[in-house]
Amino acid sequence: DAGITQSPRHKVTETGTPVTLRCHQTENHRYMYWYRQDPGHGLRLIHYSYGVKDTDKGEVSDGYSVSRSKTEDFLLTLESATSSQTSVYFCAISTPGNQPQHFGDGTRLSIL
Amino acid sequence: GQQLNQSPQSMFIQEGEDVSMNCTSSSIFNTWLWYKQDPGEGPVLLIALYKAGELTSNGRLTAQFGITRKDSFLNISASIPSDVGIYFCAGQPSSLNYGGATNKLIFGTGTLLAVQP
Repeated sequence: DAGITQSPRHKVTETGTPVTLRCHQTENHRYMYWYRQDPGHGLRLIHYSYGVKDTDKGEVSDGYSVSRSKTEDFLLTLESATSSQTSVYFCAISTPGNQPQHFGDGTRLSIL
Repeated sequence: GQQLNQSPQSMFIQEGEDVSMNCTSSSIFNTWLWYKQDPGEGPVLLIALYKAGELTSNGRLTAQFGITRKDSFLNISASIPSDVGIYFCAGQPSSLNYGGATNKLIFGTGTLLAVQP
């Protein structure tokens, strides 16, 4: 494991409720990413961060926001969860210089 | 957005057989990566490729960065039951909106490998 902890690992919630997922790393890596994984789509980038307070959108960012106030923590928030956001969410980290990304073990989120 | 075509989608083989899977793109990539994902876990990096034509091995796994920079393949020799899982390719496009300072990746849709003892 690359020193990445995602919490919670599982969550069931109702449509319309806010949800925050946390990614915590102990590697002091500069770059952090949030992906969702759905059958037939592989991994799709939601948002990413290239430093504290520096974030940008990925290809599927609608309905999601992120924050990074410390190097080690990257939060993903669903302001008002919808059933289409039921998915498995993965956090990844990387360092500058064309280095590969390393992944956490994911959060399985079900929105009823 | 940009996509990677990964094939085959699934493979069902006997233990001891060799396996080959590949990824292709319509765009040029700077980096190709291969990951394996076990159930309930995140993808784990198997092999990273950084130069066109590069051939790299990791135990029974061998991967190559295509000379056109638009494809890559992964071979697994003498498969064993623990090779079961989903294999993903990922690439860093050379286009301006990707990669570079942020190491963003595009992922294939995965190859499900089942190995029968």
